[in-house]
Amino acid sequence: GQQVMQIPQYQHVQEGEDFTTYCNSSTTLSNIQWYKQRPGGHPVFLIQLVKSGEVKKQKRLTFQFGEAKKNSSLHITATQTTDVGTYFCAYSGAGSYQLTFGKGTKLSVIP
Amino acid sequence: DTAVSQTPKYLVTQMGNDKSIKCEQNLGHDTMYWYKQDSKKFLKIMFSYNNKELIINETVPNRFSPKSPDKAHLNLHINSLELGDSAVYFCASSQGGDGIYGYTFGSGTRLTVV
Repeated sequence: GQQVMQIPQYQHVQEGEDFTTYCNSSTTLSNIQWYKQRPGGHPVFLIQLVKSGEVKKQKRLTFQFGEAKKNSSLHITATQTTDVGTYFCAYSGAGSYQLTFGKGTKLSVIP
Repeated sequence: DTAVSQTPKYLVTQMGNDKSIKCEQNLGHDTMYWYKQDSKKFLKIMFSYNNKELIINETVPNRFSPKSPDKAHLNLHINSLELGDSAVYFCASSQGGDGIYGYTFGSGTRLTVV
């Protein structure tokens, strides 16, 4: 079956440094979504990527979908303490109602 | 406020009890879901439901049952609670069966079985 690996599991950065998390799939994905969960909070939808090679930006966040649609990344430029949380990628199979989530990358930002 | 709301926020109960968690969404979404998040933060789909179809993740014990009185509600009933059921349970909803507009999550119910 489809497997998506999300790496790294944890990342500690100094405030102002950049951060990247990756999702890598063994098979082609129809789409991929990214979510952020603050400590003690609930997952919040950030973005969806659908097209091969797609790049989308939200302020300091840059999302990419690979040309082969097998991998995706979320990059944060100049992290701030408000970026702390766990970032999840998620995908659905063709015709499926259900999103499967990666295991997440927990980001800590040292002020 | 438009949102996905679930109650209670915290639930502490003894092994063997039966409990329910309620979820309501006023976003007009047509599909609702239950997810379980364990202590390692892994989010696992339990159920998805729209007004036509219930999909149950095959790994969910049959002690768990979703109940949907209408399109805006999807409650979770759990029989004979076990220690391993302790987790945070999230309700979510989406517009469209494939969730391409993203899921909206409730704030979660932290279930502790003692």
